Amino acid sequence: EPEVTQTPSHQVTQMGQEVILRCVPISNHLYFYWYRQILGQKVEFLVSFYNNEISEKSEIFDDQFSVERPDGSNFTLKIRSTKLEDSAMYFCASSALRTGASYEQYFGPGTRLTVT
Amino acid sequence: DQQVKQNSPSLSVQEGRISILNCDYTNSMFDYFLWYKKYPAEGPTFLISISSIKDKNEDGRFTVFLNKSAKHLSLHIVPSQPGDSAVYFCAALGSARQLTFGSGTQLTVLP
Repeated sequence: EPEVTQTPSHQVTQMGQEVILRCVPISNHLYFYWYRQILGQKVEFLVSFYNNEISEKSEIFDDQFSVERPDGSNFTLKIRSTKLEDSAMYFCASSALRTGASYEQYFGPGTRLTVT
Repeated sequence: DQQVKQNSPSLSVQEGRISILNCDYTNSMFDYFLWYKKYPAEGPTFLISISSIKDKNEDGRFTVFLNKSAKHLSLHIVPSQPGDSAVYFCAALGSARQLTFGSGTQLTVLP
């Protein structure tokens, strides 16, 4: 069964450094998303991406964040200058165009980002 | 800003019995809802969804009920199995396809 994959599974970085989190969405999906979950808190939406552009972003997704689909398979989240409060589990998700009456999003296993 | 609320952080049930997980929402613009299951160190796994034009959707052991006037939905699992032990998240779909999640309910199914 096709699945969303994410690399790395765990990333440790120093405050102020740039990190790139990578995702390979399900191959025939057209919508891509990033979410994050800070330890003990809810899963929060960051950004959605469709047709090679951002379609929606949350207030969390400030100028330090960017997304890119550099080729036909990868979808990346870049944090330009990491802060301690960026430490979280980052989940990539993808979804197809509406099929029937369904809008389900499929999630990857996540990347645990630790900023020290 | 708690647009989606799961007021029970945990629930324990005996194997074979019914598990009922509840979720409330405040934004009347939400018109599609999803339930996800999550194990530690894994991403959320889609379980079942429901559109606001329906009041029930069933898939095997899982049934989701929606009471639109009360802004309430519930997930029923019957019969419950030990492998169902996980955190269950309710989520609502926004106009730009972003999901708003509840805080989750830890379900423990006791053998």
